[in-house]
Order: sequence, then structure tokens, then C-alpha cells
Amino acid sequence: EAGVTQFPSHSVIEKGQTVTLRCDPISGHDNLYWYRRVMGKEIKFLLHFVKESKQDESGMPNNRFLAERTGGTYSTLKVQPAELEDSGVYFCASSRLDSPSYEQYFGPGTRLTVT
Amino acid sequence: QKEVEQDPGPLSVPEGAIVSLNCTYSNSAFQYFMWYRQYSRKGPELLMYTYSSGNKEDGRFTAQVDKSSKYISLFIRDSQPSDSATYLCAMSGGGGSNYKLTFGKGTLLTVNP
Repeated sequence: EAGVTQFPSHSVIEKGQTVTLRCDPISGHDNLYWYRRVMGKEIKFLLHFVKESKQDESGMPNNRFLAERTGGTYSTLKVQPAELEDSGVYFCASSRLDSPSYEQYFGPGTRLTVT
Repeated sequence: QKEVEQDPGPLSVPEGAIVSLNCTYSNSAFQYFMWYRQYSRKGPELLMYTYSSGNKEDGRFTAQVDKSSKYISLFIRDSQPSDSATYLCAMSGGGGSNYKLTFGKGTLLTVNP
């Protein structure tokens, strides 16, 4: 069974540009989560999809971030326009619909550098 | 006050040593307590979880939770160089957001041959 995949693995963009991160969850996983780790800080929750619906987006930093999950399969996270403080590693995780919280499988992350 | 506090280390030990990692937390609603291991350039991987208070053992690893003190620990016996990684504590539970994981900063562990 393939794990959670994320693309790209690393992205370097200039301040003000737009970047789109993609996450492909494990097949059959209806729950999809985005987390972010800013340098020197802990990994923080951004949002949670159940299928194509946003269940909780309380962790999204501001309206420059837009997450979508059309069709309930893969998800994208768009940052527009990017700011320096958006640099960090963005992790995606997925789980089955009725899985307990600890059964979240993480992808390798996308390292975003905004210069 | 942060919800979860974890000493980031780094921690360096010789092979065969017993390693003790720990976290404290402030949110008494947490019910699930997890330890993740993260290798460089990889995502966090679940190592162990504990529900509520108590101990749990899995091979060389033992997780302990003391809810009265809001303190959790991970012990690694007979540590190996392959255990070198960042260890993250995480917690969840309580209310309607029990799927949301709250992480500590992680402790970087190096086991020297």
C-alpha cells in the first residue's frame, strides 16, 4: 500500500509569488490533514478534511492560504501571495474515516522557502 | 504557556544506554498521548500511543503517562544507532477536536556507536 505522497518535496519562491502544494492521501482514507512546522517551532495543525468537506480550518494562519480537496481524493494547499513567515515544512496526513486520532499517517512533507 | 512543552535537546548517548524523553502539557482534556519518530527529510511516524494514564511497553520502548502531573515519558532501552532521530510527543482528545494532534517541538537524539 502506497503511503501519503506530497509534491513538490521542496519549493523555493520569492515573496509575493504563489505556490501550490499537493497531497495524495493513502487510498481509501477519507480524513486528510494539513500541518505545518515553522523553523524552531512545533508542528501545528492547519486544517482537516473529511472527504471533500472542510471539517476544521481553525489552524489556517490567514486568508492567504486556501486548501481544497475536490472529489475527496487529493488535496492542494495554495499560498497567495507568499510571505517570508510562510517558510517551513508542510505535512499532510491521512486516516480512515473512523480511525482514532493516533492513526494519522504522515507524508514526507514539502519544504517551502520564501525568499 | 504552550500546550505541550518538550526539551529540544540535542541529546547524545552511547550505544546501549537507556534514553529518557519527556513532555509536559497543560490541557487536561488530552486523552491520547503519542510518540512519533522522525528521521531527517521524512514525515513523523507513530512509535507508540497510550490512552489516558498508565504504561505501555513495546520491545525496547516504554511509554508512561501521568495525567495527575501532566507528564509523559518515553524510555528506550539498549539504544541503537538506528534509534537516532527526532522524537516528537503529541496529544489529542477532548471536546469536538479529538482528531487534532498537538505536538511538542521534538527532541533530537543521537546514539553513538
